[in-house]
Amino acid sequence: EAQVTQNPRYLITVTGKKLTVTCSQNMNHEYMSWYRQDPGLGLRQIYYSMNVEVTDKGDVPEGYKVSRKEKRNFPLILESPSPNQTSLYFCASTHYGTQYFGPGTRLTVL
Amino acid sequence: AQTVTQSQPEMSVQEAETVTLSCTYDTSESNYYLFWYKQPPSRQMILVIRQEAYKQQNATENRFSVNFQKAAKSFSLKISDSQLGDTAMYFCAFMNPNYGGSQGNLIFGKGTKLSVKP
Repeated sequence: EAQVTQNPRYLITVTGKKLTVTCSQNMNHEYMSWYRQDPGLGLRQIYYSMNVEVTDKGDVPEGYKVSRKEKRNFPLILESPSPNQTSLYFCASTHYGTQYFGPGTRLTVL
Repeated sequence: AQTVTQSQPEMSVQEAETVTLSCTYDTSESNYYLFWYKQPPSRQMILVIRQEAYKQQNATENRFSVNFQKAAKSFSLKISDSQLGDTAMYFCAFMNPNYGGSQGNLIFGKGTKLSVKP
């Protein structure tokens, strides 16, 4: 089954404790991206990757890092999480313009 | 910069009736994609329908259809024979497939919360 997976689905952490949210897709898509969703703001792109070892900032990249060492994986890294990064995060892979979203990760930073 | 506006924060409809959700966008591009995504309470983002700007024919997917008015920059979603399972947040989104590395960046509206009542 073609899908995008994310882990963990829920995470509660404390300020400053480094964390990684994993994302994997099995559709061999080149383009992947991360979004955050906040009430009243919709979804906004954090980072994207056009292919292995090619990443760039989206609209709200501050406080985040990404890497793309393999085509299927695109982890999101929060080196020092802060409460304003409490949000719902989505990973997506893109094929011919259509984005396929993962199930989302609900992150709470205390 | 492209923007997407959904002017109806909330709507409700009776089961089996038809409802139309509005979306307008602003762009100077001539080639782009438009989407409607559904987000049910599970929070999964589900693609409902997609429209390429170069196509004059409005896209249709079963009970879902769009009214794409390119000159007016309008992209409304019509849901026919509404079902309880259609209750969700609906997002309109724009993508410019030709703008360098941002080709995959979806610009979302703020959403319309649709409630289908029995």
